[in-house]
Amino acid sequence: AQTVTQSQPEMSVQEAETVTLSCTYDTSENNYYLFWYKQPPSRQMILVIRQEAYKQQNATENRFSVNFQKAAKSFSLKISDSQLGDTAMYFCAYHNTDKLIFGTGTRLQVFP
Amino acid sequence: ETGVTQTPRHLVMGMTNKKSLKCEQHLGHNAMYWYKQSAKKPLELMFVYSLEERVENNSVPSRFSPECPNSSHLFLHLHTLQPEDSALYLCASSQEAGVGYNEQFFGPGTRLTVL
Repeated sequence: AQTVTQSQPEMSVQEAETVTLSCTYDTSENNYYLFWYKQPPSRQMILVIRQEAYKQQNATENRFSVNFQKAAKSFSLKISDSQLGDTAMYFCAYHNTDKLIFGTGTRLQVFP
Repeated sequence: ETGVTQTPRHLVMGMTNKKSLKCEQHLGHNAMYWYKQSAKKPLELMFVYSLEERVENNSVPSRFSPECPNSSHLFLHLHTLQPEDSALYLCASSQEAGVGYNEQFFGPGTRLTVL
C-alpha cells in the first residue's frame, strides 16, 4: 500500500530565511503525482506545488520549490525568503490511480 | 461566493442527535470528496462522488451517510455518533475523480465535537 511519511512534526524558521520540509513515500507505481498542500490557521487547505513523477525537472512556484528524488522516493519542499504568512501546516500528498494519500503534516512557524 | 464552502463551521452534538454537514462548490467540478482530519493523523478519505455517483467508500461506519443531490452539493448526514468521531471534516472538489494531476480544492471544514 502507498504511504506518505513526514518525519518533522514541527519546524520553525526566521523570517527571510530558507527552510526545507521533508517527505518520503512508498509506491511500486512508475507514474504518479506528488503535491504539497498548505493549511493556514484559518484551516482552508490550498495547493502549494505539484510534481509529475515522469518529469525530471523539479517544480517551482515563486518562493516554493521541490527536490524530487524519484529513486529515493523523496519529495522535499523548500521555502525561500520565508514570510510570516507561510506559518501553517504543510501536507505532502501522493496521488495514485484513484485517490490522494496524505502525510501527517509538518507545522511550520515563521518568526519575525 | 467562490470556491468550496461548508456549513456549519462548528457543530456540537450529542451521541443521540442527528445533524447534517453541507458542502457547496462553485467551481463547476464533477468530483466531490469528504475527508476526516484528526490531530496527528493523515487526512482520511471517507467518500468520493463523481457526477453525483458514489465511487469510493473507505469502510466508513454507517453512522455517516453521504448524499450528493447534484454535482455542486454534497451532504454528510450524521446520526448516533461516538466521541471518537470528533474531528475536522473537510469537503473538497476537483475537475474529475481519479485523475492524478487534478488539484483538489478544499473547503474551510466543519469542526465537529461529539459529547
